[in-house]
Amino acid sequence: AQSVTQPDIHITVSEGASLELRCNYSYGATPYLFWYVQSPGQGLQLLLKYFSGDTLVQGIKGFEAEFKRSQSSFNLRKPSVHWSDAAEYFCAAIMYKLIFGTGTRLQVFP
Amino acid sequence: KAGVTQTPRYLIKTRGQQVTLSCSPISGHRSVSWYQQTPGQGLQFLFEYFSETQRNKGNFPGRFSGRQFSNSRSEMNVSTLELGDSALYLCASSQTGDYSGYTFGSGTRLTVV
Repeated sequence: AQSVTQPDIHITVSEGASLELRCNYSYGATPYLFWYVQSPGQGLQLLLKYFSGDTLVQGIKGFEAEFKRSQSSFNLRKPSVHWSDAAEYFCAAIMYKLIFGTGTRLQVFP
Repeated sequence: KAGVTQTPRYLIKTRGQQVTLSCSPISGHRSVSWYQQTPGQGLQFLFEYFSETQRNKGNFPGRFSGRQFSNSRSEMNVSTLELGDSALYLCASSQTGDYSGYTFGSGTRLTVV
């Protein structure tokens, strides 16, 4: 079945620490992949997207993601987290329609 | 340019009533998709419209319907509201709906009492 999996429901990091949010997909081909961020009560903001080409994708707010075909993964990274990064992060893929993972809530401690 | 606009921002309705939500996409975007977000089910795809035609539909009962107008604005209607319909309803628009990425609105928070 087509699906997007985010294995971490909740992650807590200290401000200034590095961050990696995991995302795996299940699909017969390579889908278009996205990472979105959602602040409480708000809509979704696109951080970055991967369609093809370079497997390391740069996004807004200092985020990057790496596509690994062999692992069916598209993990989101940031070298140094800021308190304002606290939010919920969603990985998504277009598999005939946009399918979302269940989200990872990021908490940042000062 | 203006983003995706959803109205109203908040809505309180009574069980059994019906509700209509509106979404105005980014100018030039022809695809509009609707999503329901709840704490228990996450983001669930409702339907997608492209050039006034429903192109894709999620697994929701027939009480959920939508349409798209010639100016690409879209409405979503829910009839016979149930308590479980309480959710954040998000609209997203894209130029073509496949590879170009989606831009989301801030959503309409529907509370059914």
